[in-house]
Amino acid sequence: AQSVTQLDSQVPVFEEAPVELRCNYSSSVSVYLFWYVQYPNQGLQLLLKYLSGSTLVKGINGFEAEFNKSQTSFHLRKPSVHISDTAEYFCAVSDNKAAGNKLTFGGGTRVLVKP
Amino acid sequence: DARVTQTPRHKVTEMGQEVTMRCQPILGHNTVFWYRQTMMQGLELLAYFRNRAPLDDSGMPKDRFSAEMPDATLATLKIQPSEPRDSAVYFCASGWADRNYGYTFGSGTRLTVV
Repeated sequence: AQSVTQLDSQVPVFEEAPVELRCNYSSSVSVYLFWYVQYPNQGLQLLLKYLSGSTLVKGINGFEAEFNKSQTSFHLRKPSVHISDTAEYFCAVSDNKAAGNKLTFGGGTRVLVKP
Repeated sequence: DARVTQTPRHKVTEMGQEVTMRCQPILGHNTVFWYRQTMMQGLELLAYFRNRAPLDDSGMPKDRFSAEMPDATLATLKIQPSEPRDSAVYFCASGWADRNYGYTFGSGTRLTVV
């Protein structure tokens, strides 16, 4: 079984400041890792994904994440946030088996960008 | 952009009534998921289908919930009878499981059972 832990339920941050959202996972097999963003009253939108290769992954809207296998982490970062980045962010893991591939989500981190 | 379409967007119903939520996945996607989102439990996987066949519905209360894919363009989630604790946002997502490119989510159905 796999699980995802997002260590911070809320992160307040000032506009133009950097932000890091932490995500740790556990799994007995190789995994794929994802970050999704959910704006108010909307569905989830894929920000970025790690499938293989380079451990630094760049996504949309200036976000990036780093896969660290030894620490089983996949932290999300943005060097300078905008008001429009106010949203909830979800880390997710998918097992690396063709028969499965369902997504298991963390509890989410709510980011509030202040002017 | 291709999108996953869910209907209705909002539903208010009385306890005991039947509720049907619909999802039109992106054409060509072979996997469809149903998730439920609540403040207390977060995102929970209810069921998912591969090539229209149910793969896993262990997250679904079997006595009142049912999920089907009558054809490749329609997935349904039914609750009968509905209860106040079913109040949540229900999301459908579709994608290509074998390629693991991530899944596309619909905008959700916000269900309120009173």
